[in-house]
Amino acid sequence: GAVVSQHPSRVICKSGTSVKIECRSLDFQATTMFWYRQFPKQSLMLMATSNEGSKATYEQGVEKDKFLINHASLTLSTLTVTSAHPEDSSFYICSARLSGRVGSPLHFGNGTRLTVT
Amino acid sequence: KQEVTQIPAALSVPEGENLVLNCSFTDSAIYNLQWFRQDPGKGLTSLLLIQSSQREQTSGRLNASLDKSSGRSTLYIAASQPGDSATYLCAPAGDDYKLSFGAGTTVTVRA
Repeated sequence: GAVVSQHPSRVICKSGTSVKIECRSLDFQATTMFWYRQFPKQSLMLMATSNEGSKATYEQGVEKDKFLINHASLTLSTLTVTSAHPEDSSFYICSARLSGRVGSPLHFGNGTRLTVT
Repeated sequence: KQEVTQIPAALSVPEGENLVLNCSFTDSAIYNLQWFRQDPGKGLTSLLLIQSSQREQTSGRLNASLDKSSGRSTLYIAASQPGDSATYLCAPAGDDYKLSFGAGTTVTVRA
């Protein structure tokens, strides 16, 4: 089955530093990937849609200069949390859909637990 | 904006009992609907995908129904096992493939 790998699974950083999270589709190509965040005991909220070869589109209320998304290839999207602050501590999850397969399911990575101290 | 509600928020049953998890959504113009399982601190595992033209999907002990016009989907889990303990998430997708998530139903199956 389709596998999405997300790295790192857990990261602790100091306030003011930047953190990069990678999302890879291991056995399929994904022209579109989605980034979500999840606060404790809450549901997943879509942050942005990552499009291969073009700029990401961000949901309302998500700061594009703070959450930098790059989708340089059909198998890799990265999310960089810039100048992280404690309120950015959350669970970040990416998902990907098989290119060219209309109606195919979204596959999710295992998530990244970010803790900003 | 799609709003998704899952009832109940939590459920605790003895092993062997059948589970019924309900999901309702406000915008019936969906492309498809996925049910996921999430274990604590983990990512999501896709369980079932129902296209908007379908009424139900089955996989092993899992069966999901979809009534698109009334904005409802139900996940049935037969003969529950302790390994079924997890949070179950319902997520309808628009034609832009973006998923909207409910808060989930946390299931505990007691041995």
